[in-house]
Amino acid sequence: DAKTTQPNSMESNEEEPVHLPCNHSTISGTDYIHWYRQLPSQGPEYVIHGLTSNVNNRMASLAIAEDRKSSTLILHRATLRDAAVYYCIHHQNTGNQFYFGTGTSLTVIP
Amino acid sequence: DTGVSQDPRHKITKRGQNVTFRCDPISEHNRLYWYRQTLGQGPEFLTYFQNEAQLEKSRLLSDRFSAERPKGSFSTLEIQRTEQGDSAMYLCASSLAAGGGWYFGPGTRLTVT
Repeated sequence: DAKTTQPNSMESNEEEPVHLPCNHSTISGTDYIHWYRQLPSQGPEYVIHGLTSNVNNRMASLAIAEDRKSSTLILHRATLRDAAVYYCIHHQNTGNQFYFGTGTSLTVIP
Repeated sequence: DTGVSQDPRHKITKRGQNVTFRCDPISEHNRLYWYRQTLGQGPEFLTYFQNEAQLEKSRLLSDRFSAERPKGSFSTLEIQRTEQGDSAMYLCASSLAAGGGWYFGPGTRLTVT
C-alpha cells in the first residue's frame, strides 16, 4: 500500500491560513501527490494534485518538499465551509489503485 | 450537472437480500472505480474498470460482490446475500487519465439490518 501519514485533527480560526502536512516517505519518482477533502455524508472532492513543483489553484496551494517525501496543503483563508476531512494520497503510476489513509479532520473556528 | 451520479443514495435491506447499485461516471471518463467507506475510515479500494474491462479487484471484493461496466459507460455493483458487515458507504469515482484527478459521486449508503 502507498501509505501516507497525516495528523488526525487540526483546528484553525476562520479567515486565517491553514497548513495541512502530509508525509509520504515511500513515494516513488513517478507518483503524483493528490489531496482530497470530504464533507460529512458526501463523496471525496478533488482539491489539488502535483508531481514535483508547487501548484496553485482556486481552492488551495500545494507545496511539495524537494525530496518529495512530504507535502503541505495550504488553504490561504479558512472558511467554515472548509471544515472537512482532508486526505493526502500518493498514486502509484504503475497501478490503478489509490489508497486513502484516515486523513486530517479540520475544524474551523468562527 | 455533469458530475458522477450514483443511485440510490440510500438503501436499507435485510440480511441475506441482494442489492445493486448504479454509477454513472462523467461521460468522457474511461476509468471507473468503486470504493467502500465505513464510519471514521478513509475509502477502501474495491475494483477498477478501464472502459468495459475490469482490470483490478481488491481482496476485499469477496465472491458475493460483482461489478460490471457493460458498455464502458455506467457501472453496477451487486452484493449478494448481504451481511451486516456490508453496511457502509459505497463510492464511485471516475477519471480520464492515470495521473489526473478522480471525481467522486455522492455515494450510496447501505444499511443491512
